Amino acid sequence: KAGVTQTPRYLIKTRGQQVTLSCSPISGHRSVSWYQQTPGQGLQFLFEYFSETQRNKGNFPGRFSGRQFSNSRSEMNVSTLELGDSALYLCASSDPGDEETQYFGPGTRLLVL
Amino acid sequence: LAKTTQPISMDSYEGQEVNITCSHNNIATNDYITWYQQFPSQGPRFIIQGYKTKVTNEVASLFIPADRKSSTLSLPRVSLSDTAVYYCLVGDNTGNTGKLIFGQGTTLQVKP
Repeated sequence: KAGVTQTPRYLIKTRGQQVTLSCSPISGHRSVSWYQQTPGQGLQFLFEYFSETQRNKGNFPGRFSGRQFSNSRSEMNVSTLELGDSALYLCASSDPGDEETQYFGPGTRLLVL
Repeated sequence: LAKTTQPISMDSYEGQEVNITCSHNNIATNDYITWYQQFPSQGPRFIIQGYKTKVTNEVASLFIPADRKSSTLSLPRVSLSDTAVYYCLVGDNTGNTGKLIFGQGTTLQVKP
């Protein structure tokens, strides 16, 4: 099976802009989780989608949002970008009932100038 | 979710066995222990998972004592390519949470 894929791999934006990141899970996986990784805060959970519904949410402001499509592909959006949003954004997918075993994609490196 | 404590960093040499211990005093009855490995600029990779006693796969072994308040990830005969950050996570495998809580992890540096 193909692994989790994320696009784009690298992105440069300026403050105030918005950005959309995409994630394609492993075939058959219905749960998709998003994480933000920064040197200062480490890996932090953003949100999780299952069957097109947000099932869990981390402690991030409303500027961070996401959605999931019927084919389980997911997107996350960040509006009104801030410098502090510069990070590696990781997407992970898992089998239903085995969410402790998540398969991560390579991530999208976002730089906000 | 149970909080975990593990060493910030460890050094080793090629060919040695490395043991990384994780403390999780507040582990709940339904919690599993899972270890992930992360290389720079890549997503974490699942290594091993266990509930009690010992689990072994082609990559590592996981030792869990009877009280389950700690666990030890054992990497046999490490090589330079094992240099990475190792995360210990504790969570409920039946909770349908899809939410993993990562701590600081242990940065393992393998030297030639």
